[in-house]
Amino acid sequence: LAKTTQPISMDSYEGQEVNITCSHNNIATNDYITWYQQFPSQGPRFIIQGYKTKVTNEVASLFIPADRKSSTLSLPRVSLSDTAVYYCLVGDGLYSSASKIIFGSGTRLSIRP
Amino acid sequence: SQTIHQWPATLVQPVGSPLSLECTVEGTSNPNLYWYRQAAGRGLQLLFYSVGIGQISSEVPQNLSASRPQDRQFILSSKKLLLSDSGFYLCAWSVPGAYGNTIYFGEGSWLTVV
Repeated sequence: LAKTTQPISMDSYEGQEVNITCSHNNIATNDYITWYQQFPSQGPRFIIQGYKTKVTNEVASLFIPADRKSSTLSLPRVSLSDTAVYYCLVGDGLYSSASKIIFGSGTRLSIRP
Repeated sequence: SQTIHQWPATLVQPVGSPLSLECTVEGTSNPNLYWYRQAAGRGLQLLFYSVGIGQISSEVPQNLSASRPQDRQFILSSKKLLLSDSGFYLCAWSVPGAYGNTIYFGEGSWLTVV
């Protein structure tokens, strides 16, 4: 898996849009970008995945520039319940080495009233 | 749909006692299986992963071991627990060869070694 770098922590307020950027300079051609959300005492859960340009679902949007060396997770109008740790992972499942999935430190997002 | 279950959800064990955490996956075949550990306020540490029955890759051997006796069953064990083994243990699975390699987690097991 390609190495990723993301901010350790971020703070925001309810109702704001939050953008978390992840750098992955060594992303490979077959790699996808996946974001996970983890609440205390729970396992990470899948939020969104993309390969290029923009992906949107009911929870978030994912913006990927043309060079794919970074990606931005966008959470619209956050609420207190969005307080969590967010992980960015880059990789694919096509090669045996992809079986080893390692999470980085993630970004601890704190939402205030 | 696929589901993953692990148990027990919580346990308190004395130092030196054995450990067995079990995880099963339903609704899929030949998944990749994983055990992670998360100490309080810390990140996810990959302990073991398996790409098939009897095939275990160890990242942090120490006093823990893992076994995969059946295709969708993954067991984490220890013969003698240490205080440092306390933490939140998570089992997970992924589809081998799938684009994006998404991983799915169980509910987790809290282990406190006293």
